[in-house]
Amino acid sequence: NAGVTQTPKFRILKIGQSMTLQCTQDMNHNYMYWYRQDPGMGLKLIYYSVGAGITDKGEVPNGYNVSRSTTEDFPLRLELAAPSQTSVYFCASSETGTVFTDTQYFGPGTRLTVL
Amino acid sequence: AQSVTQPDIHITVSEGASLELRCNYSYGATPYLFWYVQSPGQGLQLLLKYFSGDTLVQGIKGFEAEFKRSQSSFNLRKPSVHWSDAAEYFCAVGAGSGGSYIPTFGRGTSLIVHP
Repeated sequence: NAGVTQTPKFRILKIGQSMTLQCTQDMNHNYMYWYRQDPGMGLKLIYYSVGAGITDKGEVPNGYNVSRSTTEDFPLRLELAAPSQTSVYFCASSETGTVFTDTQYFGPGTRLTVL
Repeated sequence: AQSVTQPDIHITVSEGASLELRCNYSYGATPYLFWYVQSPGQGLQLLLKYFSGDTLVQGIKGFEAEFKRSQSSFNLRKPSVHWSDAAEYFCAVGAGSGGSYIPTFGRGTSLIVHP
């Protein structure tokens, strides 16, 4: 049971390039989330999904796209990288999305630099 | 909209000393409140959460937190700190209803432990 895995761990992009951050969970969780963490700041929600085929915007969705074709995978796409997207990106998953019984499990993060 | 304030950017304590990390929130209804810990290079791990009932919440690793509605606070405490507790600590508030929530994170408090 690997939990939540993210690839790559590190990446440097040039302005205007595109890339996909991969996230996979093996806990059969319905809910998945993408956050970004800027230096000295808390996490901000980019997108989330409540199940395969269903996604919704979080607090900072501009410049990103997501898809959820399977329960396990929730990739995050950057189409035209900008320096403002330099950040650490965390993927998380949870079983029910409700606070009463739920815990969010986080991946180790992807550190992205856009130059 | 909900918000979280962690007034201390850094806290330094000696090993064996007691610890209190402050968290203040802003939210109109009864909030869902969380404390997470992030070790260097790792994702976040849930320490404890509050959603109803007893205002003193016990968590993992010997941590506890107390919800004080009159002060809009949810401070994290530990009676005796260990060197391994050195990490970044995030308070979060979840807005939602019926148990569903989307968390908003504070900027974090960095805990430094002196031997």
